[in-house]
Amino acid sequence: EVQLVESGGGLVQPGGSLRLSCAASGFTFSNHWMHWVRQAPGKGLVFVSRINRDGTSTTYAGSVKGRFTISRDNANNTLYLQMNSLRAEDTALYYCARGRSIVRATGFDHWGQGTLVTVSS
Amino acid sequence: DVVMTQSPDSLAVSLGERATINCKSSQRLLYGTGNESYLAWYQHKPGQPPKLLIYWASTRESGVPDRFSGSGSGTDFTLTISSLQAEDVAVYYCHQYYNTPYTFGQGTKLEIK
Repeated sequence: EVQLVESGGGLVQPGGSLRLSCAASGFTFSNHWMHWVRQAPGKGLVFVSRINRDGTSTTYAGSVKGRFTISRDNANNTLYLQMNSLRAEDTALYYCARGRSIVRATGFDHWGQGTLVTVSS
Repeated sequence: DVVMTQSPDSLAVSLGERATINCKSSQRLLYGTGNESYLAWYQHKPGQPPKLLIYWASTRESGVPDRFSGSGSGTDFTLTISSLQAEDVAVYYCHQYYNTPYTFGQGTKLEIK
């Protein structure tokens, strides 16, 4: 069974940092592009970042570019999101999501339960 | 960025009736002469992660009931629930994976009338 379990969320002050993790199991992690998607309270889904299978290619939403860094450890089946210079508007539930196809982009077929990040003083 | 616009923002439908949600993209989600639109639909219930329903605009994900169907091509897409069930109450999102940054529609909240 495919499982994605996020951790690392919490309360942080503006300007602070957090590192989110997503532990993957039940599939060959290194075969899939991985993604972070967030949902602010009462709002919709927003793409944050994606990383290719071997970690050599990354993409970011404009709102987080230069502040967030996505990475992965295929030996330990873990996806990361390093978040620096956090702002109040980064407050959200952060989901990791698996790319459905190993061949090309095809939507996200498995999602974790999410980890909550709250940026507040 | 590709802008995805859903309509309506909310929808109330009677049990057993048809529900239709529309999604329009600001650019075509097709490459060249291809016939596959890079468009997915998700169902999102409170307290749960989103669930993939449809990809390539009309391909149903494994295990998704056949009352869910997707249609459209290019810039205009539709998600149809042929006979609404109580468990279909959720927010539905369209999502383009044609170009990065990927983008989602604003969501359509579906309720029972």
